[in-house]
Amino acid sequence: EVQLVESGGGLVQPGGSLRLSCAASGFTFSSYWMSWVRQAPGKGLEWVANIKQDGSEKYYVDSVKGRFTISRDNAKNSLYLQMNSLRAEDTAVYYCARVAGAFDYWGQGTLVTVSS
Amino acid sequence: DIQMTQSPSSLSASVGDRVTITCQASQDISNYLNWYQQKPGKAPKLLIYDASNLETGVPSRFSGSGSGTDFTFTISSLQPEDIATYYCQQYDNPLITFGQGTRLEIK
Repeated sequence: EVQLVESGGGLVQPGGSLRLSCAASGFTFSSYWMSWVRQAPGKGLEWVANIKQDGSEKYYVDSVKGRFTISRDNAKNSLYLQMNSLRAEDTAVYYCARVAGAFDYWGQGTLVTVSS
Repeated sequence: DIQMTQSPSSLSASVGDRVTITCQASQDISNYLNWYQQKPGKAPKLLIYDASNLETGVPSRFSGSGSGTDFTFTISSLQPEDIATYYCQQYDNPLITFGQGTRLEIK
């Protein structure tokens, strides 16, 4: 059974940093692109970042470029999102998702709240 | 970046009604278009991939069509459990975008 489990969310002050993790199981993690998608409270879905199977290609939505870094450790079946210089508008539930063309599997999400 | 215009933003329909949601891309995306259902407090669920393919286990009352810039998502006979928000999503290039969502309610 495919499982994606996010962790690392919490309350952080503006300008602070947070590292999200996503533990994958039930499939060959190293064979798939992976993504982070977020959803601000009461708002729609927003794609945040993609990473290729071997980590050689990474893409970001403009609003997080230079502040967020997506990475992966295929030996640990894990996906990460390092978030720096956090802003109030980064407050959201962050989901990791497997990419098979579509986002065919999603985690349960982890809430990041940026507030003083 | 490719913009996705989804309409309507909200929709009220009766059980048994045929429901249609549209999504328009700002440029040709071939059939690189997916549809998701999201219920409150839950992660999105993939329903339709590549514009018209039904994901395994998804009821056949859900369908999708279109190519290029114009796409349609249809529920042939609305059921109470279909109350949710629906999103289109393009993946023509690695810079992925979603539509704004359609909130579906029971009349």
